[in-house]
Amino acid sequence: NAGVMQNPRHLVRRRGQEARLRCSPMKGHSHVYWYRQLPEEGLKFMVYLQKENIIDESGMPKERFSAEFPKEGPSILRIQQVVRGDSAAYFCASSPLTGTYEQYFGPGTRLTVT
Amino acid sequence: AQTVTQSQPEMSVQEAETVTLSCTYDTSENNYYLFWYKQPPSRQMILVIRQEAYKQQNATENRFSVNFQKAAKSFSLKISDSQLGDTAMYFCAFMKGTYKYIFGTGTRLKVLA
Repeated sequence: NAGVMQNPRHLVRRRGQEARLRCSPMKGHSHVYWYRQLPEEGLKFMVYLQKENIIDESGMPKERFSAEFPKEGPSILRIQQVVRGDSAAYFCASSPLTGTYEQYFGPGTRLTVT
Repeated sequence: AQTVTQSQPEMSVQEAETVTLSCTYDTSENNYYLFWYKQPPSRQMILVIRQEAYKQQNATENRFSVNFQKAAKSFSLKISDSQLGDTAMYFCAFMKGTYKYIFGTGTRLKVLA
């Protein structure tokens, strides 16, 4: 039973380019969460999605960031016109339900903006 | 707003010894969940232990146990018989509502041979 998969594991982008981060949840999980970890900090919630729906995007920066979880395929976190401050590790987690269930984390994507 | 505080940025312990990592949190909620996650150099987030606030009994998982003091809003992690593989960042987390984790800033633990 494969865990949460994220790709790429490492992504290098120049300032102004677009970054696309992918997350495939565990089998049977329909809830996906994205978190960002800046250097030497804990993870910070960004967005919570279910299939074809954004449930809570209160942690997403207002501009340049977007997320989707289509009916088919992985969840995508998209960052347009990246800046150096976007350099971070981005983690995806999934769960079968909300509530009492802990979230299972993927290995993260480390984004470096040069 | 809920906050999670880990006041020990770094700690070290000799192999086979016991170490306790501190965590305090602030919330006005009565029912909630608390977690400890381990993040080794690979950066994979690994769940170590979970505590339901409505349970008075402290959670244990093999060498890992917690001291949950609800009134004091304290949730410390004790690692017994420390092993070299325990070297990692440890994050305390509070679950806000039904899905939003609030993480502390972490404690870097180094187990010395």
